[in-house]
Formats: sequence, structure tokens, C-alpha cells
Amino acid sequence: AAGVIQSPRHLIKEKRETATLKCYPIPRHDTVYWYQQGPGQDPQFLISFYEKMQSDKGSIPDRFSAQQFSDYHSELNMSSLELGDSALYFCASSLGGVIYNSPLHFGNGTRLTVT
Amino acid sequence: DAKTTQPPSMDCAEGRAANLPCNHSTISGNEYVYWYRQIHSQGPQYIIHGLKNNETNEMASLIITEDRKSSTLILPHATLRDTAVYYCIVRVENYGQNFVFGPGTRLSVLP
Repeated sequence: AAGVIQSPRHLIKEKRETATLKCYPIPRHDTVYWYQQGPGQDPQFLISFYEKMQSDKGSIPDRFSAQQFSDYHSELNMSSLELGDSALYFCASSLGGVIYNSPLHFGNGTRLTVT
Repeated sequence: DAKTTQPPSMDCAEGRAANLPCNHSTISGNEYVYWYRQIHSQGPQYIIHGLKNNETNEMASLIITEDRKSSTLILPHATLRDTAVYYCIVRVENYGQNFVFGPGTRLSVLP
């Protein structure tokens, strides 16, 4: 079965650079979530989108922005990168709408290293 | 969303059943219980979820107490590949509302 696709798998950037992470949800899934997981920490929710509109917002820094496109894929844009942004970034997708108990399905993440 | 409490770690012998408890005493009537696991640095993997009835799938069984204040995830025949951090999450179903990952239980399956 098709899964959530994230690209790139690994990304190395320098401080103050920008980065763009991409997420392709499972086909027909209309809801996308972004999580950040630092070393030794639990995944922390950043932001989510349902039908291309932001639906919930967590601890996402102002330097980060995200959007969901008409084909339901999503991009997380990160600017003025800091060393502390080094982490695993996971995207998840689910069916919103009438599927009220649809679980989230996660991709295998993008490992961002800021030097 | 209701908060959950899980033991920080558990051991289980390979081939035996692993029973992972979760306390969610403040759960409300429309909150589902979900279980996920994360094997080192991989994306969290969905296991099972339920509202008030016990559930079973090919991976595990979920037992929810009648008052819904606690639940148990059962892996019937644990293998070494089941070593992971297991997260119990309660969530009101709504469009795009986030899952909050708590400390979870680090399960070690021992040979």
C-alpha cells in the first residue's frame, strides 16, 4: 500500500540558510500534519492542514511556514535556520471529513542537520 | 485533549505477551484511544485505536475498561522487532486536530 512520502530524506544546511521539506500524503488523504522530533525527544506537533486550509497550530516558530497545495502535498519552509532546528521532521496524513476516527499515518521523516 | 500516563519502560520475554498499560482518567466521551509505536528514528507507526469497545487487528489487541479511564495494548507474541517506544494517545476526532505524543513506554523484548 502507498505510504506517506517525504523528501529529502537527509538535508544539511548552514546557519541562517533556508530549507524546504516536502510531503506527499497517501492518495485520497486530505489532511496533513507536521511534527518535529529533536534528539531523545518525543515528536512535537507543528502544524496541520485540512483541505488546503490550516486547521491547527502547535509550537511552530515564526521562522517556519507551511502550506498544502491543490494536489494535497505539503511543504514546510524553514528560514534563518538555527542549530536547534536540527531534528527529524515527520509528516503524517489522514482522512478528514466524514471519516471521524481516521488515524494518522506517518512518513519516515527528513533528518535536518544545521551546521 | 485528555492526558495519558504510561510506565516509562517495560521488559518482555520474546514469544510472550506484552501488556502495555495506559491511564487516561480524564478522558471524555468523544475521545478515542490510539496506540502508536516508534522504532528507533523511524516514523511513528499506527497500531490500533478504539472508543469504548475492545479492538483487535493483525498487530495487537486493545482492551478499554468499562469506565474508559484506562486501556491496555496487548502484543500477543512479542518478537525482538517489537522493541520500540509505545505511545498511548487520546484525541477528540476533528479536522486536523493534532495528536500529542507523551513520554510513552519503552518496551524492550528480550531473547
